[in-house]
Amino acid sequence: SQQGEEDPQALSIQEGENATMNCSYKTSINNLQWYRQNSGRGLVHLILIRSNEREKHSGRLRVTLDTSKKSSSLLITASRAADTASYFCATVLFGNEKLTFGTGTRLTIIP
Amino acid sequence: DTAVSQTPKYLVTQMGNDKSIKCEQNLGHDTMYWYKQDSKKFLKIMFSYNNKELIINETVPNRFSPKSPDKAHLNLHINSLELGDSAVYFCASRQGLAGVNEQFFGPGTRLTVL
Repeated sequence: SQQGEEDPQALSIQEGENATMNCSYKTSINNLQWYRQNSGRGLVHLILIRSNEREKHSGRLRVTLDTSKKSSSLLITASRAADTASYFCATVLFGNEKLTFGTGTRLTIIP
Repeated sequence: DTAVSQTPKYLVTQMGNDKSIKCEQNLGHDTMYWYKQDSKKFLKIMFSYNNKELIINETVPNRFSPKSPDKAHLNLHINSLELGDSAVYFCASRQGLAGVNEQFFGPGTRLTVL
């Protein structure tokens, strides 16, 4: 069954506001990764957080991981029109090679 | 200087035909993947190869046959195409420890079966 469920499915905010997306998963993980997909393009890796980490930052991105709740969040601060895209979380299990993707959040930034 | 490239970008074909999608990466990575993204944007792994050897084969019909002539190339051949095969197919590659490092994705091949 699908490993990750993302919430919300779609999010529209004004440029300059912060955007928060959540990802929940079902079993213990090795790490969790966030990817961005612009319309009609491939996925681009944003950030990886390991199971023993609670928070990571990269530029305007902040990712948190709560392994007790089996959930992660991606915060994009000071959003820009160029942030309009779909965002996917993907989990990796211990001893497993593959990424299992969530359902994705479609983010629209309104100029 | 494209890292992961796929050809063709678009593929429109009739049901029952056989078609191939090609993927090449110039990153020197050892591991390559094929993913399928359906109309609801759900992305699912199909195959993974490491140094030309198959390491992941998800529950994919045997009409799909990956081929890796060398570690920089992973092609996907599909026999007897069906309507349900319509999707976007992404190739990806990775270097380093399994599951730890990021994957680099190609631009995708949109397959439409009529």
